[in-house]
Amino acid sequence: DVKVTQSSRYLVKRTGEKVFLECVQDMDHENMFWYRQDPGLGLRLIYFSYDVKMKEKGDIPEGYSVSREKKERFSLILESASTNQTSMYLCASLSGTGGLEAFFGQGTRLTVV
Amino acid sequence: DAKTTQPPSMDCAEGRAANLPCNHSTISGNEYVYWYRQIHSQGPQYIIHGLKNNETNEMASLIITEDRKSSTLILPHATLRDTAVYYCIVSLAYSGAGSYQLTFGKGTKLSVIP
Repeated sequence: DVKVTQSSRYLVKRTGEKVFLECVQDMDHENMFWYRQDPGLGLRLIYFSYDVKMKEKGDIPEGYSVSREKKERFSLILESASTNQTSMYLCASLSGTGGLEAFFGQGTRLTVV
Repeated sequence: DAKTTQPPSMDCAEGRAANLPCNHSTISGNEYVYWYRQIHSQGPQYIIHGLKNNETNEMASLIITEDRKSSTLILPHATLRDTAVYYCIVSLAYSGAGSYQLTFGKGTKLSVIP
C-alpha cells in the first residue's frame, strides 16, 4: 500500500515560532503537495514540488516555505507562526499511473496560540 | 476561475442511489473528469475518472454527458459510510513527470440519512 505519512497528527505552537511539518511518501512519486483546509474554504493549495529541490507556489503561499531535499520527503515551514495559520494541513503525493490518483496523509491539525 | 461547479450539499437516503452532479462547461477535449471524496478527519481519496465514456469501478459509476459539459457520480447503494465531501476535478492527464498543480474546489457535502 502507498503510504503518505505526516509527522504529527496534532501540534500546538506559539505565535512567532518556526514550525516544521514533515511529510514522507514511500512510492517514489515525483509530485508532492501541501494543502490547508479550513471550514467553508475547502482544500487550498499552498506549495507543490515535482522534483528534488524544485518547488512552485500554489494559491496561498504567503507565510509559508517548503523544502524538498530528498524525493520522498516534503517539508512545509511556517517561518513565524501566526494565529491565522491555525488549520488542518494535508500532504499528498501523486502517482503517474492509473490517472490522477493522489494519495493523502492523515493530516496535521496545527493550533497556533 | 472555477473549472467545475457543484452543489454545496445534498442528502440521500441510506440504500438509495446517490447522484452527485458536476458542471464543467469549459472542459477541453483532452481534459479528464476526476472524482475524490473526503470522509471527515481523513485525507481525500481518489474514486474514479473518465474522459468521455461512462466508467464504473467497485466504488462508483461516472456518467459523462455527450457534450462533456457535465457529469454525474453515482453511488448505487449509499451507506452511512458514504457521508463525505465529494470533489469533482477537471484536468489534463498527468504523465508522471514534470510539474502538475492539483487543485480542489469546495465540493459537495453528501449526507446519507438512515
